[in-house]
Amino acid sequence: GEQVEQLPSILRVQEGSSASINCSYEDSASNYFPWYKQEPGENPKLIIDIRSNMERKQIQELIVLLDKKAKRFSLHITDTQPGDSAMYFCAASDTNAYKVIFGKGTHLHVLP
Amino acid sequence: GGIITQTPKFLIGQEGQKLTLKCQQNFNHDTMYWYRQDSGKGLRLIYYSITENDLQKGDLSEGYDASREKKSSFSLTVTSAQKNEMAVFLCASSIGGTGNTEVFFGKGTRLTVV
Repeated sequence: GEQVEQLPSILRVQEGSSASINCSYEDSASNYFPWYKQEPGENPKLIIDIRSNMERKQIQELIVLLDKKAKRFSLHITDTQPGDSAMYFCAASDTNAYKVIFGKGTHLHVLP
Repeated sequence: GGIITQTPKFLIGQEGQKLTLKCQQNFNHDTMYWYRQDSGKGLRLIYYSITENDLQKGDLSEGYDASREKKSSFSLTVTSAQKNEMAVFLCASSIGGTGNTEVFFGKGTRLTVV
């Protein structure tokens, strides 16, 4: 089945700098790539997503990039703030969108 | 907006015990999921269901059973709890289908096996 690799597992950045998380997938039929943020004690929540007909999407400080040829996608958080400290998960879904496979997560720490 | 309710929030079981986790959603979503969350291992798919009475195995289905009794509910059974097992089980739902839409999660059931 589909596998999603996510790196790094832990990321520490200084407040105000950028943070980047990278994911790769195996199934070339995957066409939907969401990103979820999970704060301590909370459930994961969707923060941004990208579909296979796009290469780049931005919502405020969040930028996602998709390279379909390389089967890679990434999340970039610009001007990080303490509130960005959380666990982030990338995911990929199969062509019928029922089965959503998540990466192992990145624990982002934004240092003051 | 809707909500996903998982019960119980905390579950303590004994080794070998059969344990059932319950999940209800009022989004009227077709697709429901059970994920297991372990530190350092992310969210691993146990079972999912695309409609009432449907069951599909995920990558981690061994040792678990599931039941989609009706559209709004999806239960997960740990068939034989393993000693020292600790994990959070997350139920989720989505519209599913070709819309590739958002997955909504419940707040989880935290399992401890003694």
